[in-house]
Amino acid sequence: QSVLTQPPSASGTPGQRVTISCSGSSSNIGSNSVNWYQQLPGTAPKLLIYSQNQRPSGVPDRFSGSKSGTSASLDISGLQSEDEADYYCTAWDDSLNGYVFGTGTKVTVL
Amino acid sequence: QVQLVESGGGVVQPGRSLRLSCAGSGFTFSVNGIHWVRQAPGKGLEWVAVIWNDGSKKYYADSVKGRFTISRDNSKNTVYVQMNSLRAEDTAIYYCARDEWGNDYKTLDYWGQGTLVTVSS
Repeated sequence: QSVLTQPPSASGTPGQRVTISCSGSSSNIGSNSVNWYQQLPGTAPKLLIYSQNQRPSGVPDRFSGSKSGTSASLDISGLQSEDEADYYCTAWDDSLNGYVFGTGTKVTVL
Repeated sequence: QVQLVESGGGVVQPGRSLRLSCAGSGFTFSVNGIHWVRQAPGKGLEWVAVIWNDGSKKYYADSVKGRFTISRDNSKNTVYVQMNSLRAEDTAIYYCARDEWGNDYKTLDYWGQGTLVTVSS
């Protein structure tokens, strides 16, 4: 099954900016919108960003997303201790007729 | 508020079957597709299957094709996944999630809390 590629880890001190990349292909990121999820330990994934850069109600504006070609990225500006979590990108895949998920990035606040 | 609640998980022997349920509330259930996504212990998220809002289309990940069957009963606001010929590698938390499509986006906007399936002898 195809997956989207993310770095396994990222870290920063409180207040710093962290960027997570997500690399896919023409059948997923290249032709469909990108979503980002935050998963705190022991909980279900929570939608953080949809349609590349849209935040659902209640998501702080320090989270932002972008997309270019077959890649996307999630920025966390003004890192806070509660941002320590796993982050996953995902996109619909036209050849799979389903979602493909990123490999996941663990964000650590130093 | 939108809620999805999974049930039916448990411990099952390899080769046996299990049926999971996903009950939705707080929205018009027949409008949205529903997906199953799983997460093996300590691993990432893996998409499993989807069923269209009216049940007309169903798609599966290669890893479960031919063994899992997704279905829904809109009169009961419930989606099911029948899992047959279970293997150790099917051990995971199984989440159901609501599909939301806009003019230029597709997303899984609400997720259940998950139900744990353990395949072990």
